[in-house]
Amino acid sequence: GAVVSQHPSWVICKSGTSVKIECRSLDFQATTMFWYRQFPKQSLMLMATSNEGSKATYEQGVEKDKFLINHASLTLSTLTVTSAHPEDSSFYICSARQETYNSPLHFGNGTRLTVT
Amino acid sequence: QKEVEQDPGPLSVPEGAIVSLNCTYSNSAFQYFMWYRQYSRKGPELLMYTYSSGNKEDGRFTAQVDKSSKYISLFIRDSQPSDSATYLCAMSAGAAGNKLTFGGGTRVLVKP
Repeated sequence: GAVVSQHPSWVICKSGTSVKIECRSLDFQATTMFWYRQFPKQSLMLMATSNEGSKATYEQGVEKDKFLINHASLTLSTLTVTSAHPEDSSFYICSARQETYNSPLHFGNGTRLTVT
Repeated sequence: QKEVEQDPGPLSVPEGAIVSLNCTYSNSAFQYFMWYRQYSRKGPELLMYTYSSGNKEDGRFTAQVDKSSKYISLFIRDSQPSDSATYLCAMSAGAAGNKLTFGGGTRVLVKP
């Protein structure tokens, strides 16, 4: 089945630093990937749609200059949290879409970010 | 009002019982309906995927969609302690691989 790998699974950083999270589709090509954020005991909230070779599309209320997304290849999208603050601490999850007709989304195992 | 409503639970059942989960939604444009299982500190795992109204069965899992009522269900037969997790319904319009709108998730506890 479709496998989406996310790295790192857990990261702690100091306030003001930047953190990069990688999302890879291991056995398929994905022109579109999605980045979600999940707070404790809450559901997933879509942050942005990442498109290979073009700019990401951000959801309303998500700061594009703070959450930088790069989708430079058909198997890799990265999310960089710039100048992180404690309120950015959350569980970040990516998903990727297979390019076969009407394939559902598969998710990575998430990255737990803690900003101290 | 949220686009997708889901009872947060927790729903506690004895091992071997049927688990019944459901979601209601308001957006009539939704055509693709998914159920995901999420263990603590893990990403969602796709369980079932259906298009439009109808039933779909896969092993112990049965998904039902009633578009006229804007209501979807997931049934888990012969529940096991390993089924203890949070179950998320998700929906999309246009295509299954479009961006998803999630319900809040229902926490399920299966007691041995």
